[in-house]
Amino acid sequence: KQEVTQIPAALSVPEGENLVLNCSFTDSAIYNLQWFRQDPGKGLTSLLLIQSSQREQTSGRLNASLDKSSGRSTLYIAASQPGDSATYLCALNNYGQNFVFGPGTRLSVLP
Amino acid sequence: ETGVTQSPTHLIKTRGQQVTLRCSSQSGHNTVSWYQQALGQGPQFIFQYYREEENGRGNFPPRFSGLQFPNYSSELNVNALELDDSALYLCASSPRPGQGPDEQFFGPGTRLTVL
Repeated sequence: KQEVTQIPAALSVPEGENLVLNCSFTDSAIYNLQWFRQDPGKGLTSLLLIQSSQREQTSGRLNASLDKSSGRSTLYIAASQPGDSATYLCALNNYGQNFVFGPGTRLSVLP
Repeated sequence: ETGVTQSPTHLIKTRGQQVTLRCSSQSGHNTVSWYQQALGQGPQFIFQYYREEENGRGNFPPRFSGLQFPNYSSELNVNALELDDSALYLCASSPRPGQGPDEQFFGPGTRLTVL
């Protein structure tokens, strides 16, 4: 059974810092991994999707990496802004049916 | 391109009642998945529908049931509501399972409160 953990559970940083969010998983037989952002009480916004054959994806200030052998993915946020404050979730697709989510990292970027 | 929509936005029910939540998938997507997200937790997979058939189910009891219609919209039905069913219910649409990247696109969710 796939289990996903995210560290840290919460993070508070001053504006402008670069930061790394971590996602760990127990089963490396994944189809893809997706990072999401969730604002309080809202739905999920897709940030980046990494296929199992890829090692990283980039979008603007965001960079996500995937290391299946070690069961880890990281989301790097450059030059953080107050508008980046949200909960960040990683989700793993075990071949089509079942997306397994981590518990999320709650990020606060202070002005 | 129309995104994923869900209705209603909020819902309050009492224990023992039944509820129906609705989801319209993103244009061009024929697969819909439903998730339950309790406060402070990650979403938990309920089930997925593809071409009007259930195509995978998580660890939820049979009182959670669903439908998918020919236009790929979907309903989530929950019978005999319990207090622990209070959560944000999220719907996600994606292309056909196993075809392409299977990127999921989520709706805004329905907040269900059971009293």
